[in-house]
Order: sequence, then structure tokens, then C-alpha cells
Amino acid sequence: GAGVSQSPSNKVTEKGKDVELRCDPISGHTALYWYRQSLGQGLEFLIYFQGNSAPDKSGLPSDRFSAERTGGSVSTLTIQRTQQEDSAVYLCASRFPGGHTDTQYFGPGTRLTVL
Amino acid sequence: ILNVEQSPQSLHVQEGDSTNFTCSFPSSNFYALHWYRWETAKSPEALFVMTLNGDEKKKGRISATLNTKEGYSYLYIKGSQPEDSATYLCASLGSGGSNYKLTFGKGTLLTVNP
Repeated sequence: GAGVSQSPSNKVTEKGKDVELRCDPISGHTALYWYRQSLGQGLEFLIYFQGNSAPDKSGLPSDRFSAERTGGSVSTLTIQRTQQEDSAVYLCASRFPGGHTDTQYFGPGTRLTVL
Repeated sequence: ILNVEQSPQSLHVQEGDSTNFTCSFPSSNFYALHWYRWETAKSPEALFVMTLNGDEKKKGRISATLNTKEGYSYLYIKGSQPEDSATYLCASLGSGGSNYKLTFGKGTLLTVNP
């Protein structure tokens, strides 16, 4: 079956521009997560969705970052007025509506480069 | 231990060698330990989810053990092959103070030379 997909796979933007990253989770997966990996760092949690609600946004680094999820499916992560420190690989993961210990399935990521 | 730590950061082995790496995690508020394999330009692939102290899991030539009391997990690869070359990530569920978000280590980059 289809896995988690993300688009675009690569995005190069200029400092100050807005970008939108998209995640299509596995069908039927109600839990959705965004993570990012900056150079030399481990994967860092950004936000967690259960259905269309985001009970935990604590990982979003600043108010320039926002995310939404519609129809319990597609999610978009928006970064406004991008800065060079936003350059990273942004990964999305989804999980079947079972227990929190269940596997999170990851997409291939979006590599964002801010010039 | 406050964070998830992995060692070594990287290693090179010859084809046919067996190898292992370590993941250390906070033993308090522990729910589960996940191992992933991440090849360049691909999605991280789930290897194991481990929850019970003393648990051992195996998938082909790869196996893992878990010690929740002391907060560590070992990943073993028997008879390494070039296709095993990847970054191996471990992540703890619970370390971040919640029971739903994973706290990742920085990974171990394995290179298997033919």
C-alpha cells in the first residue's frame, strides 16, 4: 500500500520568503507528527496531530511556524519569513489509531534550504 | 541521562563483520524504544518497537535488546552487507515527558565496505 508521501522533496528559497510543506499520511492513520533534522542534530519533534486537532505544538520553534490538518488527512507545515536557521530536513510521520507505542511511519522528507 | 544518546557516532566495517551499537535513554517515564534505519534520500524504515525490560527482537540478521531499568538498548547486525549501510536511529517514547512523541538520538552512521 501507499506510504507517507511529502512534497516537495527539495525546496530552495530566499531568506524572508514563506514556504509550505505538504504531508499525505497513510490512509486511516489518525495520528500525524512533524519532525525536523537540522545539520548535526537528531530528529526534533515539532507538532502532533490527533485527527484535525493539534494537542501538542510545543516543538514549533517560533511563531513563524504553523501547521494545519484538514479532513483528518493532509497536513501542511507553513514557515513564514524563512531564516537560514530554518534550513533542515522536515519529516512527517503517521500512526495507526492504536496505542502510542505503535510504529510511526515516516515520509521521505522535504529538504529545505534557505539562502 | 536526560537525552537519548547513541554511540558510536559512525563506524566503518568490512562486509561479513558483525557489529553493534548502543542507545542510552532516560529510564524514567519510559513507554517504548523505537529503532529505525534511514538510508539517504529514503524514508526512515521502522525496525523494532520494544516495550518490555529484557525484550529481544530479531529481523533477519538484525537484532536488538532492551534494558529499561538501566536505560539502554543494543542493536546487533550479524554478517554485515553493503546494503546495511545507513544511519540507525533510536528514539524513546516518554523521554520528552509525554507518551506520544519520540525523542531521537543523533544516530549511528554505518558504512559497510565490500
